[in-house]
Order: sequence, then C-alpha cells, then structure tokens
Amino acid sequence: DAGITQSPRHKVTETGTPVTLRCHQTENHRYMYWYRQDPGHGLRLIHYSYGVKDTDKGEVSDGYSVSRSKTEDFLLTLESATSSQTSVYFCAISDSRGDYEQYFGPGTRLTVT
Amino acid sequence: AQSVSQHNHHVILSEAASLELGCNYSYGGTVNLFWYVQYPGQHLQLLLKYFSGDPLVKGIKGFEAEFIKSKFSFNLRKPSVQWSDTAEYFCAVNRISGNTPLVFGKGTRLSVIA
Repeated sequence: DAGITQSPRHKVTETGTPVTLRCHQTENHRYMYWYRQDPGHGLRLIHYSYGVKDTDKGEVSDGYSVSRSKTEDFLLTLESATSSQTSVYFCAISDSRGDYEQYFGPGTRLTVT
Repeated sequence: AQSVSQHNHHVILSEAASLELGCNYSYGGTVNLFWYVQYPGQHLQLLLKYFSGDPLVKGIKGFEAEFIKSKFSFNLRKPSVQWSDTAEYFCAVNRISGNTPLVFGKGTRLSVIA
C-alpha cells in the first residue's frame, strides 16, 4: 500500500465548529486530492493540489478550504461545519512516475451533529 | 464537463456466475480509464487501468475490462465471481493532458451470495 495516512480516522463534531483533516504521504508524490464519498454519489472531488502552495477547486468545494505548505501534507478545513458535510473523506495522491495512477488513503469518517 | 455513468446501482449474483458491470463516459478527447474496488470498510484499490494499446486490459483477481472507443464504454468483466468479490466498484476517467483529477461514477454495489 502507498504510504498515505489520514487523521483523524473518525470525528464527531457540532454544527458551526471548524474542523481540519490531515493527509500525510511518504511517497513524495506531487499531486494530492481530497474527495468525499456519499451514498448514491460515489466520490466527488473537493480540492486538489498540483504542488506546494498550488491548489485548485473541485466539483464540491463550497464550504471547504485547503492548504499545502509541504509536499507531504495536504490539509482540508471545514470553516464552519454543517450537517451536509457529514461524509467519509478520502485523500489520494498521484505522480507522473506512476502514470498518474491515484492511490487512496484509509479515509476519515466525519459526523456533524 | 466529463461525466461517468455506471448503469447498475446494485447487482446480486450467485457464486460462479459471470459478471459484467457497465461504464460509459462522456468526453470527446483521449482519456485514461480506471476501475477501482472498495471492500466493506476499506479504502479504494485499483483493479485495472487503460492508458493506451490493447483495449482489453487485465487486472488483479481475474478481472478484465474492454475499452470500446466508439461506444465510450469501459465495461468490467469477470467470468466467475466469488463471495470475496462482494464490494463496491467504481469506474473513473481523466483526460490525458498531464495529471488531471479523476471523475468517478456513482458506483455499483456487488453482492455475491453462496
């Protein structure tokens, strides 16, 4: 398995609180992604990064921000969590050396009450 | 914008039955195609991928997929399923222009019964 960890793995938080999820990789891959997985929707891209300090929005970016200050870390922040952000969040990485194949982390299950 | 359609939401098969899961994408340019599998409670793992060359690609665990460009399809097949194939299967596509994010289908849940 690719060296990707996500923290926390589970979190319960209240509506209106800020939440930060962390993705850490040891593969030195250039590209990192945040997806959310919801029943009936598959995986949807929230934000992605194509290098340190270089990020772009995905399909469902409203209510989320990201930061990448180091190659190995990609943070996803919910500025003010809402119940609609209850989901499983997956981080993924890819690189040209691997034909851009994406490797996924173990996921973070977030519940907003 | 690209989109990916998986026609079957939930498929139930008996062990040893043959499997075919449909996937169609909408994008006129050249694409990379992927099938991922997610076993219960686990993260996504790559089953197989198509970048170029032989349109019939073989993946892990006896799975294969055929790229039919004229039909914009990339269907997943397995001749004989096992109970351990119970999982959710996702088709995904991205454009061939450096690295671009994947667009996923909504997934097909496969239940294999004894």
